[in-house]
Amino acid sequence: AQSVTQLGSHVSVSEGALVLLRCNYSSSVPPYLFWYVQYPNQGLQLLLKYTTGATLVKGINGFEAEFKKSETSFHLTKPSAHMSDAAEYFCAVVGGFKTIFGAGTRLFVKA
Amino acid sequence: KAGVTQTPRYLIKTRGQQVTLSCSPISGHRSVSWYQQTPGQGLQFLFEYFSETQRNKGNFPGRFSGRQFSNSRSEMNVSTLELGDSALYLCASSLGGTTDTQYFGPGTRLTVL
Repeated sequence: AQSVTQLGSHVSVSEGALVLLRCNYSSSVPPYLFWYVQYPNQGLQLLLKYTTGATLVKGINGFEAEFKKSETSFHLTKPSAHMSDAAEYFCAVVGGFKTIFGAGTRLFVKA
Repeated sequence: KAGVTQTPRYLIKTRGQQVTLSCSPISGHRSVSWYQQTPGQGLQFLFEYFSETQRNKGNFPGRFSGRQFSNSRSEMNVSTLELGDSALYLCASSLGGTTDTQYFGPGTRLTVL
């Protein structure tokens, strides 16, 4: 069975600061891992995904995530936050034709 | 290509009624998944269809059902609505399944009074 834990339901950073959103997963099979972003009153948009191969995954809008099997983590980072990054972010693990989402982390960006 | 479309976007129903939501996937996509999003439970998987076959189902009561047509369009139905069914229902399509990139529609906001 798969599960996802996102540490911190809310994260607040200053514009230009590092963004770090944490995700730990549990999977009985090699995981497929995803990060999605959701803006208010919209559906989800894929930021990046890990399937196999390189453990550092680059996504859209300057985001990247590193798959660490030993730590069962897939944390999302961005070197410099922008006001437009304010949104809710979801980590997800996929297996057995089923996607399991974390509870989400709302990112606030202060001017 | 046109994105995933969901109709209707907003719906108000009363307890005990039933509702049908529709999802049109991106052209060429054969997999459609449905999710329920609520403030309390977050995003929960409902079911996934591929070529008209349900391949997996989440932990929801039998009041929640779905189907997929030969053109990959999908519908989900909720019977005997309860207040707790109020949620944003999201549909996502992908080429071959959930391990592929899923493209989400804007959702249908269901309010049960």
